[in-house]
Amino acid sequence: DADVTQTPRNRITKTGKRIMLECSQTKGHDRMYWYRQDPGLGLRLIYYSFDVKDINKGEISDGYSVSRQAQAKFSLSLESAIPNQTALYFCATSDPPSGLPLRETQYFGPGTRLLVL
Amino acid sequence: GQNIDQPTEMTATEGAIVQINCTYQTSGFNGLFWYQQHAGEAPTFLSYNVLDGLEEKGRFSSFLSRSKGYSYLLLKELQMKDSASYLCAVNYSGYALNFGKGTSLLVTP
Repeated sequence: DADVTQTPRNRITKTGKRIMLECSQTKGHDRMYWYRQDPGLGLRLIYYSFDVKDINKGEISDGYSVSRQAQAKFSLSLESAIPNQTALYFCATSDPPSGLPLRETQYFGPGTRLLVL
Repeated sequence: GQNIDQPTEMTATEGAIVQINCTYQTSGFNGLFWYQQHAGEAPTFLSYNVLDGLEEKGRFSSFLSRSKGYSYLLLKELQMKDSASYLCAVNYSGYALNFGKGTSLLVTP
């Protein structure tokens, strides 16, 4: 079973619609992240959460919102989807830095491919 | 932002060695990661460097020079399955990972 799952895996929606992408993890990690990936632009951070009560904006949060419903669940919402939000979206998880030397490794879900028409 | 630069594309021959470079801004540096990503799939962790020097893991090695803001990923005995994008990512103090745009590696027969 996958440790980090994302639903849906693929989604087509229309401009102006509200949609939610969901992420669940069984790794027991405190930290969760949402990224989007566009060709030629790499992975860009949308939002991140270091625990259930902590939500932080990333590099490109405009047009997005998130909800951390539990340690294991972190959802990304597009309130009113627009075509330039067409991208591949990844959720990732990590624990706070540990080990010697300190290291915080992120583990990625399989991604959600979103097309906004 | 913290610019992370790596070449866009590289091509190498099966069985050869290839080095993928990454440069980054040094202020607030707290560790550097390399991830591999096959087309349409999730990035997977390859290596981590926080101290200067070379970390070897099988066919893959990663090098770091903190003073120069420089890292490279070395892939030996290239195989066709190594064709993928390689992402350099830096952890800066108190923040999540910053990713470079990735290097697309094509391994040819």
